[in-house]
Amino acid sequence: NAGVTQTPKFRVLKTGQSMTLLCAQDMNHEYMYWYRQDPGMGLRLIHYSVGEGTTAKGEVPDGYNVSRLKKQNFLLGLESAAPSQTSVYFCASSYSLGWLYNEQFFGPGTRLTVL
Amino acid sequence: AQKITQTQPGMFVQEKEAVTLDCTYDTSDQSYGLFWYKQPSSGEMIFLIYQGSYDEQNATEGRYSLNFQKARKSANLVISASQLGDSAMYFCAMSSLSGSARQLTFGSGTQLTVLP
Repeated sequence: NAGVTQTPKFRVLKTGQSMTLLCAQDMNHEYMYWYRQDPGMGLRLIHYSVGEGTTAKGEVPDGYNVSRLKKQNFLLGLESAAPSQTSVYFCASSYSLGWLYNEQFFGPGTRLTVL
Repeated sequence: AQKITQTQPGMFVQEKEAVTLDCTYDTSDQSYGLFWYKQPSSGEMIFLIYQGSYDEQNATEGRYSLNFQKARKSANLVISASQLGDSAMYFCAMSSLSGSARQLTFGSGTQLTVLP
C-alpha cells in the first residue's frame, strides 16, 4: 500500500496563477482532509470531505476550492494564488470509526511558494 | 470551539533521559480524543499515541506514554529513554465532532532536540 500520496511535492507559482494539488489514498478511507502548515502555527484545516461527492469548509477555506469526484482522490485548487498561500500543504485521510478515535494518515506534504 | 495549547516551542533532552512535552486543551465537549503526532525534519506526520476522554488508564505505546489529567485538561506526552531519532517537532491534537466530520485541532508544536 502506498498510503496517502500527494502530487506535486514542490511548486513555485506567480501571484495570480492557478494550480491543483492532488491527493490520493489507497486505504478505502471515507474521510479526507486538506491542511496547511505555517511556521509556528501547527496545522490548520482548509477543507474536508466525508465521502465521494461531498466537501465542506474547515478553519481557513478562503482562496481554495476542493473536489472529491472519486473516493480515493481529493483535489485542492487555488484559482488565483497569493503570497499568503505560501505554505506546506498536507492531505490526510481516515476511517469513519467511532467519532472519538480518528487517526488520520498523512501524505508527505507539498511545499508551495507563491511569488 | 476546541483549542490546543503547547507552551514549549523548543525542548532539549540528553540522550537516554526521559522528557515530558506539555499539552493543555480547552473544550466544552464531554467526549473527545487526544492525539500526539511526530514530524521529523523530513516533513511527514507520524501518529504516536491516542487517549480517549473516557479511558481510565493512561495510554502507552512503547517508549511513549500519555499523562492524561482530565480535571486539569492536560495530555502531556512522556518519552522515556530518549534517542537521537526522537529529535523532531511534536504536535498535540484533539478530535472533535464538527458538522459531520471528525476533525482534528492541532497545537502549534514543540521542537524536541535530543543531545548526544
